[in-house]
Order: sequence, then C-alpha cells, then structure tokens
Amino acid sequence: DVKVTQSSRYLVKRTGEKVFLECVQDMDHENMFWYRQDPGLGLRLIYFSYDVKMKEKGDIPEGYSVSREKKERFSLILESASTNQTSMYLCASSVKYEQYFGPGTRLTVT
Amino acid sequence: AQSVTQLGSHVSVSEGALVLLRCNYSSSVPPYLFWYVQYPNQGLQLLLKYTTGATLVKGINGFEAEFKKSETSFHLTKPSAHMSDAAEYFCAVTPGNAGNMLTFGGGTRLMVKP
Repeated sequence: DVKVTQSSRYLVKRTGEKVFLECVQDMDHENMFWYRQDPGLGLRLIYFSYDVKMKEKGDIPEGYSVSREKKERFSLILESASTNQTSMYLCASSVKYEQYFGPGTRLTVT
Repeated sequence: AQSVTQLGSHVSVSEGALVLLRCNYSSSVPPYLFWYVQYPNQGLQLLLKYTTGATLVKGINGFEAEFKKSETSFHLTKPSAHMSDAAEYFCAVTPGNAGNMLTFGGGTRLMVKP
C-alpha cells in the first residue's frame, strides 16, 4: 500500500512565525503536491514537484514556498504565518494521474 | 483549462435510500474523472476513476459512477446508503493521458439519517 505521512495532524502557530509542514511518501513517486482545503472551496493546489529540486507554482502560491531535497520528502514552508493561512493542508504523491493523499495537517494561526 | 462543479454542498439521505451526488465538468480534451471520499479527520481516498473504456465504473463500498460525455457529467450513486457512508465527497478531473494535475470540485458533504 502507498503510504503518505505528514509530520503533524494538528498545529497551532502564532502570526509571523515560520512554519514547516513535512510530507513523506514511501512509493518512489516522482510527483508530489501540496493543497489547502477550505470549506466550500474544495482542494486548491499550492505547489507541486515533478522531481528532486524541482517545483512549480499551483493556483495559490502566495505566502508559501516549498523544498524537495530528496525524492520521498516534500516540505511546505510558511515564511511568516498569517491568520488567513489557517486551514487544512493536504499532501499527495502520484505516479501519472492517480494521487494518494496523506492524513492532513490542520493548522491554526492565532 | 478544466473545471468541476458539484451541485449541492450538503446532501442528506435516510439509511437505505439511494445516494446521488452530482458532478459536472468542463474540459477541452477527453477527461479522466475521479471521485474521492474524505472521512472525518482523514485524507482523501480514491473511490473510483474513469479513464477510458466502459463508461459505467464501479468503485469501493458499493459506489458507482457513469461518464456521460453528452451531459459532461460524472454523477456518483449508491443504491442503498449506510451510516458509514457519511463523509465528504470530491469529484476531480484531469486532462486525459496528458495530465498529472487534478482539478477538484468544491465537495459535497453526505449526511445519512437513521
């Protein structure tokens, strides 16, 4: 079974803090994705990566950056957290079009 | 560009009743279509997918969906709802064999009444 893990299930941070969300997959997938999920808006793509050290902006990259130093790990970074970044963050990996999701990190910024 | 519309952000059915969750899409090329389910406090799990071939596809937990090109629809159905089906359901589309990217609908929360 494909396994995608995320470093935290719940996270509370203060405004202005730098926040790291980690995602690890164990299936040697080339593609990895970060989404945020908000009620009524579905999933919106923040960033994705097709390979190590490669990244592409998704639909809502503002306020976020990513890092992919190893194939299995894809990190999402909030450089200076703001309250409007309070959300559920989902990581996924894929081979071709079928994506496998982690359990999500619910981030609250106060 | 692709887009997905899910009609009804909340759907409520009685246990044993038919479940129908609606999904309409737009795509400039033949699409691949997906339904995902999200149980409370969990990530998304693939229910079923349509890529090519038979337009009626069966998934896990008794769900099925039919790709109707003329109606640009991919509605999800289950003949008899169970309490354990209560979850949020997402429809997604990608541009056929050329795509790695999924575009998701806004989601439909299914509630099942005893």
